[in-house]
Amino acid sequence: NAGVMQNPRHLVRRRGQEARLRCSPMKGHSHVYWYRQLPEEGLKFMVYLQKENIIDESGMPKERFSAEFPKEGPSILRIQQVVRGDSAAYFCASSPPSAGDSQPQHFGDGTRLSIL
Amino acid sequence: RKEVEQDPGPFNVPEGATVAFNCTYSNSASQSFFWYRQDCRKEPKLLMSVYSSGNEDGRFTAQLNRASQYISLLIRDSKLSDSATYLCVVNMERGTSYGKLTFGQGTILTVHP
Repeated sequence: NAGVMQNPRHLVRRRGQEARLRCSPMKGHSHVYWYRQLPEEGLKFMVYLQKENIIDESGMPKERFSAEFPKEGPSILRIQQVVRGDSAAYFCASSPPSAGDSQPQHFGDGTRLSIL
Repeated sequence: RKEVEQDPGPFNVPEGATVAFNCTYSNSASQSFFWYRQDCRKEPKLLMSVYSSGNEDGRFTAQLNRASQYISLLIRDSKLSDSATYLCVVNMERGTSYGKLTFGQGTILTVHP
């Protein structure tokens, strides 16, 4: 039973490039969450998606950031024109379709993004 | 005021010690509560959910006081492997059917021989 799979584990980009982070939820899970952990800070909610739908993107920066969860394939968090402040660990979590607000979330290993 | 506030520590305790962590949250409408642990440069892993009546899982006991908006975690008979950052996590969204989690900054625990 594979857990939440994220790739790449580490990603290095130069300022102005694009970063694409991928997340495959646990088998049977259709809810995906993205969180960001800046250095020395706690995790912060970014976006919640179900298949083909963005449900809550209240934590996403207004510009340069976007997320999708297509019918087929992994969820993608895309950051355009990256800046040094985007350097962080990005974690994806998933939960089953029947999950309510009390259901724990299972996290992937994260992608550590470094901007040169 | 932070939405979820924890004493950052660090706590340095010998093996076998009992240690307690506290956490307060700002939104009285919060619905769900959890403790996660995070090892250095790893992902958060669920330790336990926290229920109103309090709950225990082996050496770990969690308590919730809704009136005081306070959550605690007690670890008995500490092991070296308990060394980690402990994250207090709250779902503050009212009326949603999904888990939009708010994390505390974490409390660092080091257990030494």
